[in-house]
Amino acid sequence: QKEVEQNSGPLSVPEGAIASLNCTYSDRGSQSFFWYRQYSGKSPELIMSIYSNGDKEDGRFTAQLNKASQYVSLLIRDSQPSDSATYLCAVNRDSNYQLIWGAGTKLIIKP
Amino acid sequence: EAQVTQNPRYLITVTGKKLTVTCSQNMNHEYMSWYRQDPGLGLRQIYYSMNVEVTDKGDVPEGYKVSRKEKRNFPLILESPSPNQTSLYFCASSLRAGGYTEAFFGQGTRLTVV
Repeated sequence: QKEVEQNSGPLSVPEGAIASLNCTYSDRGSQSFFWYRQYSGKSPELIMSIYSNGDKEDGRFTAQLNKASQYVSLLIRDSQPSDSATYLCAVNRDSNYQLIWGAGTKLIIKP
Repeated sequence: EAQVTQNPRYLITVTGKKLTVTCSQNMNHEYMSWYRQDPGLGLRQIYYSMNVEVTDKGDVPEGYKVSRKEKRNFPLILESPSPNQTSLYFCASSLRAGGYTEAFFGQGTRLTVV
């Protein structure tokens, strides 16, 4: 079992719709959860961080965390073509605090 | 401008020829790390450094070396590169180790070993 799992996609969503990206993790002691966006050929950049159960909203983005289910998600409202990218989920490993990364979900927003 | 700078961006080399990829950050961050990114495998940590003169192995350290003699620099050394080290490499830094801090990435180095 991978420590952080994401559906590789591609996930295709019509422009203006809600894109829902999911991530599961195996380390019950993890405390920090991050969503990064990576455009093709570019470096990852932080979209959202979340540290406690529940929802965290920032503009069109909402991160959701459920530690009991070991599940974190990212919702993108009013999806735009510029949101087309690979979204990486990262979780800190409790034993040594290092970030463990999912393989990413490729998101395609269709105009 | 706050940034992490990697060089070179692209590198083609031959098996066995030693190479160094440089990484420098100007944000006075304590923590720096190196990752490789391969299709379907995501980012995998090679080495990390909690501070000057403190380095430790990540998940895939074989075939790599690092050093942290100054806070701003964290070079990645491949003493004898092999084709299985062909990959996209990223250097990253953050204010400190552990959670609750954002990782800032360099532009990436695409390495091909033939």
